[in-house]
Amino acid sequence: GQQVMQIPQYQHVQEGEDFTTYCNSSTTLSNIQWYKQRPGGHPVFLIQLVKSGEVKKQKRLTFQFGEAKKNSSLHITATQTTDVGTYFCAGDWSGGYQKVTFGTGTKLQVIP
Amino acid sequence: EAQVTQNPRYLITVTGKKLTVTCSQNMNHEYMSWYRQDPGLGLRQIYYSMNVEVTDKGDVPEGYKVSRKEKRNFPLILESPSPNQTSLYFCASKGTRSSYEQYFGPGTRLTVT
Repeated sequence: GQQVMQIPQYQHVQEGEDFTTYCNSSTTLSNIQWYKQRPGGHPVFLIQLVKSGEVKKQKRLTFQFGEAKKNSSLHITATQTTDVGTYFCAGDWSGGYQKVTFGTGTKLQVIP
Repeated sequence: EAQVTQNPRYLITVTGKKLTVTCSQNMNHEYMSWYRQDPGLGLRQIYYSMNVEVTDKGDVPEGYKVSRKEKRNFPLILESPSPNQTSLYFCASKGTRSSYEQYFGPGTRLTVT
């Protein structure tokens, strides 16, 4: 089946440093979503990206969808301890809003 | 409060003993889905349902069954659990056909010995 490769698997940063996680697909995606899971919690939807080259911002978080719709990134500026958690991308190839495939996640630790 | 609930939250069972994990949502969502989460593997979709009586396989359906007799409920059934089904299970739901935002339940941690 289709897969999204997500890197890095783990990232430790000093509070105030920036953080980026990347997702890559070998084939063109219809859309991609991003979720955050706090330790011990459940995934929470952050955003969806649909258009080629799309860039969306949520406060310190910047989400990008590649021009070829095969890759995406989530960038956090000036991390805070509240950013701790695992960030997942979820790819949809068919555009049918039914079946998504999650990446393996990037676990972010922020050192105060 | 809009939410997805799962029961039980924790379960330890033995190989071969049938079990059901319930999932219920109060948001009148059409779409519901089950995932399992394992270290290093992320979330993998087991089954999903587009509406009542409409279900389809996800990426890892082997060893699981589901049913969707009512819009709000989507139980996950393990007819003969095995140790490789030890995992953290999440139920999720979402609204309109054009919506990507899934709402996840709190999770059920299952251990099969």
